[in-house]
Amino acid sequence: QKEVEQDPGPLSVPEGAIVSLNCTYSNSAFQYFMWYRQYSRKGPELLMYTYSSGNKEDGRFTAQVDKSSKYISLFIRDSQPSDSATYLCAMKGNQGGKLIFGQGTELSVKP
Amino acid sequence: DTAVSQTPKYLVTQMGNDKSIKCEQNLGHDTMYWYKQDSKKFLKIMFSYNNKELIINETVPNRFSPKSPDKAHLNLHINSLELGDSAVYFCASSRADSPLHFGNGTRLTVT
Repeated sequence: QKEVEQDPGPLSVPEGAIVSLNCTYSNSAFQYFMWYRQYSRKGPELLMYTYSSGNKEDGRFTAQVDKSSKYISLFIRDSQPSDSATYLCAMKGNQGGKLIFGQGTELSVKP
Repeated sequence: DTAVSQTPKYLVTQMGNDKSIKCEQNLGHDTMYWYKQDSKKFLKIMFSYNNKELIINETVPNRFSPKSPDKAHLNLHINSLELGDSAVYFCASSRADSPLHFGNGTRLTVT
């Protein structure tokens, strides 16, 4: 069993929809949680970075962490075709620790 | 003024050859990484260097040898290339307590 599980999709939604992306994990020591976006033929770029449990909002993006359930989410409001990409969750236990990635969810937003 | 740059972008070579991939970062970060992304988009850490010192060395065949001549550079040399080495290799950098910044990858194809 992988340390971080993420449904690879693909996920296809119409423009303007609310998108929900999720990851589950098994290691209770994880404290730092990230979401990266990866466009085709590009490197992953950081979208959201949260520590411990709670919510964080940045524009149309909201990240949620529920450590009790070992479950993290990324919500995208008013999705746009430019949001079409692969979204990777990532997490680590301490500041200098290894960053473990989920498999990534491929999202397509149709105009 | 690319933050993390890798060369080459594409590398096509035959089995048994030896090849190198170079990485440079101009962010002033003290930690650099090599990740391998397989055909299913799964990103897995291979190596990590902090101030030119190897700190993470995952279970990677010893045909792969990283070299860090200074804090801003981390190169990856691969001996006796095999078909299974075909993947996208990403270089990344960070400060010890901050998220990773990725390059745009080197797409390696072994024929």
